[in-house]
Amino acid sequence: NAGVTQTPKFQVLKTGQSMTLQCAQDMNHNSMYWYRQDPGMGLRLIYYSASEGTTDKGEVPNGYNVSRLNKREFSLRLESAAPSQTSVYFCASSEVLRVMNTEAFFGQGTRLTVV
Amino acid sequence: LAKTTQPISMDSYEGQEVNITCSHNNIATNDYITWYQQFPSQGPRFIIQGYKTKVTNEVASLFIPADRKSSTLSLPRVSLSDTAVYYCLVGDRLDYGGSQGNLIFGKGTKLSVKP
Repeated sequence: NAGVTQTPKFQVLKTGQSMTLQCAQDMNHNSMYWYRQDPGMGLRLIYYSASEGTTDKGEVPNGYNVSRLNKREFSLRLESAAPSQTSVYFCASSEVLRVMNTEAFFGQGTRLTVV
Repeated sequence: LAKTTQPISMDSYEGQEVNITCSHNNIATNDYITWYQQFPSQGPRFIIQGYKTKVTNEVASLFIPADRKSSTLSLPRVSLSDTAVYYCLVGDRLDYGGSQGNLIFGKGTKLSVKP
């Protein structure tokens, strides 16, 4: 089982460039999430998708957009990257909209550096 | 949303028992307590969940007193591989409505195990 797969694993962008982080899960989960993690910080929720066709803002949505392409895939787009977006990005999925139980699974992360 | 407070960091030595306490004074009747573990350069993974008294699995034990205003994650005989960040989350296990409270991680407790 692949679980939650994120691509790419590493990326360096120049300020102002755009890119899309990809996430796919093979567990037939309804809900998916994007978090960012900065050094010394916990995980902060960027966007989430309760189910296919719906997306909602989390704690820190500014500068990001998301697309729930289908049940499997949830992408995160940076339209104009800024150094403040340098972080490790984690995608997660769960059967229903919560991480409070055994059903939340996280990807390995994408380490993004904006110079 | 029940706010949680945990120590920022803890140090231990191999073979010792480690207890990490999480305070959640405003826990609601329907709230469950869930702990996640995050190794360096990896996404978090679920380790244990409980509602009251004691829960034990192959990885850890979770002690919850009668008033449920705190909980203690106990790791028996830690090894170097238990070095990780441990997150305490509190929320309603049955919240299908999409409350962000169920999706929020704090800063966690960074456990360092030394030889």
